[in-house]
Amino acid sequence: DQQVKQNSPSLSVQEGRISILNCDYTNSMFDYFLWYKKYPAEGPTFLISISSIKDKNEDGRFTVFLNKSAKHLSLHIVPSQPGDSAVYFCAASVRTGANNLFFGTGTRLTVIP
Amino acid sequence: KAGVTQTPRYLIKTRGQQVTLSCSPISGHRSVSWYQQTPGQGLQFLFEYFSETQRNKGNFPGRFSGRQFSNSRSEMNVSTLELGDSALYLCASSPSSGSQRYEQYFGPGTRLTVT
Repeated sequence: DQQVKQNSPSLSVQEGRISILNCDYTNSMFDYFLWYKKYPAEGPTFLISISSIKDKNEDGRFTVFLNKSAKHLSLHIVPSQPGDSAVYFCAASVRTGANNLFFGTGTRLTVIP
Repeated sequence: KAGVTQTPRYLIKTRGQQVTLSCSPISGHRSVSWYQQTPGQGLQFLFEYFSETQRNKGNFPGRFSGRQFSNSRSEMNVSTLELGDSALYLCASSPSSGSQRYEQYFGPGTRLTVT
């Protein structure tokens, strides 16, 4: 049972425009959410996170929004750059002391120059 | 700080054999987690070690095991390899305290191919 879902397998955006990647979750116990970026043949690279007590967290060009009532989070990248082209995974966890990330299936972002 | 390192990067094994993968976490990180990535199942949690103890385990058969040493380095072992074990095995470490303790930092992975 997939508890974290990324329903868009791919997304194409023009350079300079906004990229919006979406993620839904089903487990209401999740209280910490993360976004990772992954290039082929490499491990995921941590991008940004948000705890359930917040609804927005910003780091440079990356902003994550959390809507707890809808069990939905999104990653905004502004402006998008060709180097942002990669697969993006959202992940969720319950901060009980055990480190266990539940990952979505990923969205492949292509930024067109 | 040096990142998470994993050895070997690539491995080819035959069905029925066993394999051991190694992971060195970021200096100071005491938690090490292992994940399996396959095209069909995505990224799935295998287990987590903290202070040489397995703290959490995912839904994988007993053929998958691991351990952690006193220097926080970790090994993962898969016995009686099956074709379906072909995957990218990722190790991640995280600090035990501080604002980043819920964030995991991944190594480059070991690509295991079972023939």
